[in-house]
Amino acid sequence: AQSVTQPDIHITVSEGASLELRCNYSYGATPYLFWYVQSPGQGLQLLLKYFSGDTLVQGIKGFEAEFKRSQSSFNLRKPSVHWSDAAEYFCAVEHTDYKLSFGAGTTVTVRA
Amino acid sequence: DAGVTQSPTHLIKTRGQQVTLRCSPKSGHDTVSWYQQALGQGPQFIFQYYEEEERQRGNFPDRFSGHQFPNYSSELNVNALLLGDSALYLCASSLNPRGTQYFGPGTRLLVL
Repeated sequence: AQSVTQPDIHITVSEGASLELRCNYSYGATPYLFWYVQSPGQGLQLLLKYFSGDTLVQGIKGFEAEFKRSQSSFNLRKPSVHWSDAAEYFCAVEHTDYKLSFGAGTTVTVRA
Repeated sequence: DAGVTQSPTHLIKTRGQQVTLRCSPKSGHDTVSWYQQALGQGPQFIFQYYEEEERQRGNFPDRFSGHQFPNYSSELNVNALLLGDSALYLCASSLNPRGTQYFGPGTRLLVL
């Protein structure tokens, strides 16, 4: 069955430092992959998505993610974080029947 | 252009009661999916509605039911509420069942 694992429950990063969030997926075919962000008390906002083609995907708010089939990974990166990036981040994979399966999420804390 | 809207924002019910949550999709979207997000977890797929029919269903009991109206808005009904139904309920809409899902702010349900 398709599934997503986010190994890091919580990451703390200094403002201005780089950020990388890990996501590993289990899927038989080429997966459709997503990263969403959830601020406290809010719904999910789509950061970026990968369907096919270029394995480096650019998203909103300066985020990018790289699809690596050999490692079954879709890690999210940002070169320089801002205090407003503090939130919970979810990786998701789309099933063949179009429903999404989410990882457990990674909480990002940004320190001044 | 209004995004996905949900009502109410918060709700408190007692065990055994019934609840109805509402969702209006993003303009131009005809597909609505519902997710349950328990505290500290990623969202779990409940079901998807398209053309006023339930198309896909996750691993949720029959106490969870829904409806889609001709204007594409949707309701989620939960009967015989249990304490474990306390969660954030998220609605997502898409252009079609295959489309990228955009989420609303959610309804926070507390069952006492």
